[in-house]
Amino acid sequence: DTAVSQTPKYLVTQMGNDKSIKCEQNLGHDTMYWYKQDSKKFLKIMFSYNNKELIINETVPNRFSPKSPDKAHLNLHINSLELGDSAVYFCASSQDSTENSPLHFGNGTRLTVT
Amino acid sequence: KQEVTQIPAALSVPEGENLVLNCSFTDSAIYNLQWFRQDPGKGLTSLLLIQSSQREQTSGRLNASLDKSSGRSTLYIAASQPGDSATYLCAATGNTPLVFGKGTRLSVIA
Repeated sequence: DTAVSQTPKYLVTQMGNDKSIKCEQNLGHDTMYWYKQDSKKFLKIMFSYNNKELIINETVPNRFSPKSPDKAHLNLHINSLELGDSAVYFCASSQDSTENSPLHFGNGTRLTVT
Repeated sequence: KQEVTQIPAALSVPEGENLVLNCSFTDSAIYNLQWFRQDPGKGLTSLLLIQSSQREQTSGRLNASLDKSSGRSTLYIAASQPGDSATYLCAATGNTPLVFGKGTRLSVIA
């Protein structure tokens, strides 16, 4: 009964490929997020969706495109992968987009681009 | 632009000790301050959330304090146990989205 689940857990691919990471939450939360944790363990927000609507879009290359088919799912599609995209990508959710809702994180997807 | 700093980067203590982890932030106009725990190969687990109007929050052996005027938060862990070994991250939410520190890697030695 995992609250926030991501697939795949590991993803190894070559430069130039297109890949997707899927995320689902069963907590009934309205808001979902994608975070990137780099090799130095620094965690930075990429996107946030509230009820399928994009509310946060940080400075991220347009090769990254989030898609939210419903409020329980937020997928991340990456085009033309580059070496610098190698990182751990975390999905998270919160009850709503207010500032007093704790975040619940998935276990991450480790992306390695060769 | 909000910046969050955590000191020390790593900490090793013997089992049973009380310890304090520090977090500082540059923009005091925050809405809340959250503390998370991250185990190797895992996601983050929310430990405590302190709203901007609050001074502290407690959960079990954990106590987090917030001083907005000085831009500081501390996480106090009482009677540390080997199971507390993990990386602890703080994150501030304000006009900018949740901004994380780089974490403190804690090792509790049995």
